[in-house]
This record gives sequence, C-alpha cells and structure tokens, in this order.
Amino acid sequence: NAGVTQTPKFQVLKTGQSMTLQCAQDMNHEYMSWYRQDPGMGLRLIHYSVGAGITDQGEVPNGYNVSRSTTEDFPLRLLSAAPSQTSVYFCASSYAGGYTFGSGTRLTVV
Amino acid sequence: GNSVTQMEGPVTLSEEAFLTINCTYTATGYPSLFWYVQYPGEGLQLLLKATKADDKGSNKGFEATYRKETTSFHLEKGSVQVSDSAVYFCALSGEPGSARQLTFGSGTQLTVLP
Repeated sequence: NAGVTQTPKFQVLKTGQSMTLQCAQDMNHEYMSWYRQDPGMGLRLIHYSVGAGITDQGEVPNGYNVSRSTTEDFPLRLLSAAPSQTSVYFCASSYAGGYTFGSGTRLTVV
Repeated sequence: GNSVTQMEGPVTLSEEAFLTINCTYTATGYPSLFWYVQYPGEGLQLLLKATKADDKGSNKGFEATYRKETTSFHLEKGSVQVSDSAVYFCALSGEPGSARQLTFGSGTQLTVLP
C-alpha cells in the first residue's frame, strides 16, 4: 500500500548512543518532515525537506540531523541520545497541502 | 509566527452526546486549517480540512467551519460514538506558496462512554 513507512516502531537506547530513524514514502512527494509528539505539547517540527538535497530546521532541531539524498527517503539521526529525546516520532510527507503520516516510532532513552 | 490554541482536555462524554472541541489560531494571511485524529497506538489521520474563509470541512459526522473573523475552527459532532474515542489535533499550514509545515495544537483527548 502507498504511504509513509517508518522503522523501527519501538526502540530503547542508552544515553549517549546514536541511531537513525528511517522514513520512506512511495508517493513521490517533494515535501517531507519529522515531528516529535510529547504529552500536552502536540506535535513539534524537528526538521523538514522541500526536495532531494534540501533540508531545513524546524522548531526543535537540536540533537538531530537529517539528510535527503533521494525523494523517497528522509532519515532522522540522533547523534548522542539524551533522556529528553524520549518521545514518539512521526514522519510525514506532503504534496499540494495534503499530509500523510507514518505510524510513528516510540523511542525511550534510558 | 503561527500558533494554534486548542481546548484543554481530557473530555469525557456519554454516547450520543454533542461534541465541541474549540480551536483558535494565529497566523498571517489565509492559512489552511485541519483536524487530525489519532486513535490509540496509531499515527495521525486527516479528519477534515478547510482552505478558505467560510469553508466547512466535514467527514464521518464531524464538521468544522473556517471562521476568519474569529480566527476559529471548532470541531463539532452531533452524536458521538464509543469508536470516536481518540486524541484530536487542530492544525494549520501556511498559504499556498509559503512554508507548508504544519503547526499543531496540543491535542484533546476524547473518551466516549457507552
């Protein structure tokens, strides 16, 4: 089925570890973004990309890196995990104002 | 910058009750407005949207009207069901041609009791 695929669904990291959250879409959407969801705070934008080779920071970019080498993929890298990065992460892609969200990655940093 | 203020939750209703979840926004120009729903353990799904003033979005018995004069986009349903229990997010995105990232409200947890 067409859509946005996120992996893994769950992850536990130790403080200081690094990891990459994967996001792939097969709808040929130019715009992709990463959000984190925390209780009582809605979803906050981490990074976004308007096309391959172009990325920019959102509201809460510190501690995260992104790259966009292809239209399909938009991985999110945690450089050195911290307990404050415990959250649920959502990837989304968009074309002409319509957004499609992945099912999320629940990350716990201990 | 853009912001969305959403009714504080949680909200608990009995089945067949009337639902209103308030949403107001701050934005320049004419943003598009959305309601997203998140069922337990799932991602966000678009519930309805409106792209210009006085537009009414509707889906699955839910409605919301884009009110430019009051900068509001309140979600309503005449008769809720147990299956409507979920978290509801109000959101906006910029005018066509501007930044397209979504700005979300904090979410409202709705529980419908049988």
